[in-house]
Amino acid sequence: EAQVTQNPRYLITVTGKKLTVTCSQNMNHEYMSWYRQDPGLGLRQIYYSMNVEVTDKGDVPEGYKVSRKEKRNFPLILESPSPNQTSLYFCASSLAGAQPQHFGDGTRLSIL
Amino acid sequence: KQEVTQIPAALSVPEGENLVLNCSFTDSAIYNLQWFRQDPGKGLTSLLLIQSSQREQTSGRLNASLDKSSGRSTLYIAASQPGDSATYLCAAGPGRAAGNKLTFGGGTRVLVKP
Repeated sequence: EAQVTQNPRYLITVTGKKLTVTCSQNMNHEYMSWYRQDPGLGLRQIYYSMNVEVTDKGDVPEGYKVSRKEKRNFPLILESPSPNQTSLYFCASSLAGAQPQHFGDGTRLSIL
Repeated sequence: KQEVTQIPAALSVPEGENLVLNCSFTDSAIYNLQWFRQDPGKGLTSLLLIQSSQREQTSGRLNASLDKSSGRSTLYIAASQPGDSATYLCAAGPGRAAGNKLTFGGGTRVLVKP
């Protein structure tokens, strides 16, 4: 089954404790992105990747890092999480710019 | 900077009525426009994608139109059912040059009453 898988689905942690949210897709997609969804602000892109070793900033990249060492994986790293990064995070992938984007089920992060 | 707006924010209709969901965008230089459905606690499910060269797309009871010149897209859902209750999001895509970033509207929350 074609899917985008995120882990963990839920995480409660404390300020400053490094964490990684993994994202994996099994569709051989070139494009992968991370979004965060906040009430009143909607979905905003954090980082994107157009292929292996090619990443770039989206609209709200501060406080986040990403890497794309393999085509299927695109982890989101919070080196020193802060409470303002409490949010619902989505990973997405697509074959190319003209193709629909497929989203994971989301990761709800709470930073205390 | 692209801005996407969806009005109304919420909509309640009786079962069987047709749904009309509106989406407007400020920058007509889009590559495509995508409609999604989001259920509570779930991710986004892609419903329809309209390329900038197309006027509409259809899938079953769903039909989406695109008018780039006026900066509008409309999603029609025929003969609504309670299972159509969800939040519907539209997103404008600028294409490869901008990393395939989608700019999302705030969504329309739909309730279909049995």
